[in-house]
Amino acid sequence: AQKITQTQPGMFVQEKEAVTLDCTYDTSDPSYGLFWYKQPSSGEMIFLIYQGSYDQQNATEGRYSLNFQKARKSANLVISASQLGDSAMYFCAMRAEPHAGGTSYGKLTFGQGTILTVHP
Amino acid sequence: DTEVTQTPKHLVMGMTNKKSLKCEQHMGHRAMYWYKQKAKKPPELMFVYSYEKLSINESVPSRFSPECPNSSLLNLHLHALQPEDSALYLCASSQDSSGRAYEQYFGPGTRLTVT
Repeated sequence: AQKITQTQPGMFVQEKEAVTLDCTYDTSDPSYGLFWYKQPSSGEMIFLIYQGSYDQQNATEGRYSLNFQKARKSANLVISASQLGDSAMYFCAMRAEPHAGGTSYGKLTFGQGTILTVHP
Repeated sequence: DTEVTQTPKHLVMGMTNKKSLKCEQHMGHRAMYWYKQKAKKPPELMFVYSYEKLSINESVPSRFSPECPNSSLLNLHLHALQPEDSALYLCASSQDSSGRAYEQYFGPGTRLTVT
């Protein structure tokens, strides 16, 4: 079974500052993917960044970077130079990589989410 | 083009009505998903289609009936819903291969209200 824990129900940050959103996970799958999604109040889930469990380097996508510490089972999202438009709910998620005979690869397990508010 | 479209955006239906939600993607993805999301909660997986065949049903009540007419389309047929079924219904798609755990791309959702 997979479990994602996001311990910060809400976070506040000043515009142009960096912010870290925490995510820890637990899984028995040998290989897996970790994802972060952004959900504005409009409702659409926006894919931000992916980290594979065997990737040696931390993933980066523009202002987003993923601080992956496999031994600690953490996959924190770092947003640099926050913008007002970054205010949203952020979900950490994981998914087992497909393997022969497995059917769990379709399931994306989400954390409870963190509401980020960016102040001007 | 990483776009998944969903119609309608909003739907209000009575408990005796029959309605359908529609989802479409043109990214060549072979896996498609339906999720249900309540306010301020994470999405809950309902169904997974892989290569147009139902591969996962998360014990969803039979009043929800999925259909995948072809690789680009996914429908969710609704019948005799309950007020507690009111939620945001999200469709998603992804590549489906043994390469890695591919990200899912979501549509904007349908906000469903059951009266």
